[in-house]
Amino acid sequence: SAVISQKPSRDICQRGTSLTIQCQVDSQVTMMFWYRQQPGQSLTLIATANQGSEATYESGFVIDKFPISRPNLTFSTLTVSNMSPEDSSIYLCSVEDRLSSFTKNIQYFGAGTRLSVL
Amino acid sequence: ELKVEQNPLFLSMQEGKNYTIYCNYSTTSDRLYWYRQDPGKSLESLFVLLSNGAVKQEGRLMASLDTKARLSTLHITAAVHDLSATYFCAVDGSGTASKLTFGTGTRLQVTL
Repeated sequence: SAVISQKPSRDICQRGTSLTIQCQVDSQVTMMFWYRQQPGQSLTLIATANQGSEATYESGFVIDKFPISRPNLTFSTLTVSNMSPEDSSIYLCSVEDRLSSFTKNIQYFGAGTRLSVL
Repeated sequence: ELKVEQNPLFLSMQEGKNYTIYCNYSTTSDRLYWYRQDPGKSLESLFVLLSNGAVKQEGRLMASLDTKARLSTLHITAAVHDLSATYFCAVDGSGTASKLTFGTGTRLQVTL
């Protein structure tokens, strides 16, 4: 299975600042995604991180607030910009490797970044 | 818009008992996932169900999929305390990319 490293694991930030979360995978993967899990809630997809092109955002999420980079097939970043307390959540990256017959159709998740905004 | 509903939201059960968690979804899908999440942890993939009538079992957990009814079940047999966690189903309704829509989650508490 893909091994996903997500950094930082947690952070406490001040209102109005920005935080960049990194997601590193131990192998090349085709699909990378970013999700948000608000306290006590389920997961909501923020965007699909596309290698070599702009991310594809879901309804309710915009690039100015959540800029995403995907410079290669093993790495992506999500920035939470101009933070407010409502951004306090767990942010998770996930990957799916459609090239591998062994891991195809399985979506793996990173450990998540627990963000608290004061 | 794809909607995924799980019930119950919370389940308290005694060790040794059996129970079923239900996952209903609103539109056609070709993939359904079950995940487990322990408090403060990320998601662990349990099952991927790819076709109508698919049934998968791992230990005390068994998952099934009925695409015609748009229903998946996660059956717990002879529950043990270690199964206490939150269980999510997730559906890939996009057709071309694995954009998952998650259910509300079922928090399972197995008491001694």
